[in-house]
Amino acid sequence: GAVVSQHPSWVICKSGTSVKIECRSLDFQATTMFWYRQFPKQSLMLMATSNEGSKATYEQGVEKDKFLINHASLTLSTLTVTSAHPEDSSFYICSATNLGRQYFGPGTRLLVL
Amino acid sequence: AQSVTQLDSQVPVFEEAPVELRCNYSSSVSVYLFWYVQYPNQGLQLLLKYLSGSTLVKGINGFEAEFNKSQTSFHLRKPSVHISDTAEYFCAVSAGGTSYGKLTFGQGTILTVHP
Repeated sequence: GAVVSQHPSWVICKSGTSVKIECRSLDFQATTMFWYRQFPKQSLMLMATSNEGSKATYEQGVEKDKFLINHASLTLSTLTVTSAHPEDSSFYICSATNLGRQYFGPGTRLLVL
Repeated sequence: AQSVTQLDSQVPVFEEAPVELRCNYSSSVSVYLFWYVQYPNQGLQLLLKYLSGSTLVKGINGFEAEFNKSQTSFHLRKPSVHISDTAEYFCAVSAGGTSYGKLTFGQGTILTVHP
């Protein structure tokens, strides 16, 4: 079946630094990918829709200048958490749709110290 | 806008017992319904989905769910659970059209199967 990968699987960074997370569709092309965030003991919340070749669409309350999304190709979307702070520590998950079915990446755990 | 409520945050059961994980939703438009499972340190896997047609949907690993429009519910059931079913389960909804793929998730239910 279709596979979505994320890199890195986990990252620890200092407050104020930027972190880039990659999401790749390994065996299919995805014009649209989605980025979710999951805080401990909470559900996944949609952050933004990543569109290949155009600007991402952010959900209400998500700062677009803080969470930069670039959908550089049909198989790659990146999420950059700029000037990360401890409150940005979370589990970030991407997904991509292929033939009407949603495939999720394994997630990236971010810890900001 | 849609919302999803999973009524139980944790469900402990014994092996080979039946289980039901409850999910209710609200939406002003017709929605598609999904159940996902998340094993520790793994990504979400689709268990089953309801798009249209028969309200009883069968999924992988022996799970099934029934869509009840009047009660706005989509409860997940399995007649006999295994230790390997221990995981967190998420109910989710998506509107159709251009919003398909934008999922609204419930809070999750941790199913723990005891020997």
